[in-house]
Amino acid sequence: SAVISQKPSRDICQRGTSLTIQCQVDSQVTMMFWYRQQPGQSLTLIATANQGSEATYESGFVIDKFPISRPNLTFSTLTVSNMSPEDSSIYLCSVGGEGISYEQYFGPGTRLTVT
Amino acid sequence: RKEVEQDPGPFNVPEGATVAFNCTYSNSASQSFFWYRQDCRKEPKLLMSVYSSGNEDGRFTAQLNRASQYISLLIRDSKLSDSATYLCAVTLYSSASKIIFGSGTRLSIRP
Repeated sequence: SAVISQKPSRDICQRGTSLTIQCQVDSQVTMMFWYRQQPGQSLTLIATANQGSEATYESGFVIDKFPISRPNLTFSTLTVSNMSPEDSSIYLCSVGGEGISYEQYFGPGTRLTVT
Repeated sequence: RKEVEQDPGPFNVPEGATVAFNCTYSNSASQSFFWYRQDCRKEPKLLMSVYSSGNEDGRFTAQLNRASQYISLLIRDSKLSDSATYLCAVTLYSSASKIIFGSGTRLSIRP
């Protein structure tokens, strides 16, 4: 499976600011995904990011709050804008979701705390 | 009703025991099924995909029951290192790339 890295691994931010999270893959992939995992909760899909097209957002998530870039087949960014304490969460990118089995593989995550 | 439901546990079993988890899903159009393992403060790691005929990987056996809409995971001869949260996940025919996760079952193996 692909090797996925994320930056930063963690951050503490003040409310009202924005943070951009980077996701880098060691091979070209068509589909990349961004998830959120709030404390004690399971994973929730924020959006799907395909290179060359606008990201597709899930219900409850909007582009103004979570703008996503996908400039090439190995990289994506997720920005958490105008943060509030409710945005404190782990943000994970994943790749896969295609082929025969649609398996997805996750990056190590970014632990965000908003004060 | 949640799309994917799991017993949150925790399951606390002695080393060497056999433990089984079930996971139910609500959408009969679900296409692919998975078990992920998540250690504390780590990302989920794919444990195994679940196939219609059932599949086994060492001490781990996964089963799919489409009629009753559940998947199961059996762990035999449990090890201390099996302690983790186990997440089941499904995809839908309508959007095969979108994975819906259950809330996870916590397993703790005691010496």
